[in-house]
Amino acid sequence: DQQVKQNSPSLSVQEGRISILNCDYTNSMFDYFLWYKKYPAEGPTFLISISSIKDKNEDGRFTVFLNKSAKHLSLHIVPSQPGDSAVYFCAAILNTGGFKTIFGAGTRLFVKA
Amino acid sequence: DGGITQSPKYLFRKEGQNVTLSCEQNLNHDAMYWYRQDPGQGLRLIYYSQIVNDFQKGDIAEGYSVSREKKESFPLTVTSAQKNPTAFYLCASSPTNTLNQPQHFGDGTRLSIL
Repeated sequence: DQQVKQNSPSLSVQEGRISILNCDYTNSMFDYFLWYKKYPAEGPTFLISISSIKDKNEDGRFTVFLNKSAKHLSLHIVPSQPGDSAVYFCAAILNTGGFKTIFGAGTRLFVKA
Repeated sequence: DGGITQSPKYLFRKEGQNVTLSCEQNLNHDAMYWYRQDPGQGLRLIYYSQIVNDFQKGDIAEGYSVSREKKESFPLTVTSAQKNPTAFYLCASSPTNTLNQPQHFGDGTRLSIL
């Protein structure tokens, strides 16, 4: 049972436009959400996060929105750049005595020049 | 330059053999993690360690074993009991295992069965 779902395996966007990556989750007990970015042949790197008590967090070109009632998370990249082409993983943290991170399957973003 | 080193990058195993994947970090992090990634799936937690000489099973620990004898090292052994070991394995660390600390990842080891 996937608790964190990224339903779009891939997304293609023109350079300079907005990229919107979506993530849905099923467990209302998640405390914290993160986005990681992964280039080929490298490990994921942390991009941006948001606490479950907030609905928006912005860092430069990257903004994460959280809609708790819909159990939906999105990452906006504006403007998109060719260097943003990568796989983006949505992740959620659950307190199970220790803190467990649950990852989505990832969305591959292509930014066309 | 601080980071996490996984070795080797590619590993081949014969049926019935145990194999150990190395993970070393020089970030002085207390917590370390092992994940497995299969095509079309997210990263799944195999084992994690919050501190030296302590570790806990994750969601898919069967057929795997770990040790944490040193703070900087968290090797993963894939045993012959793991029925489908072919996958991409990622090691990660964080300062501690707390809510708002992102994990730092190595570049992974791809394990294949001959």
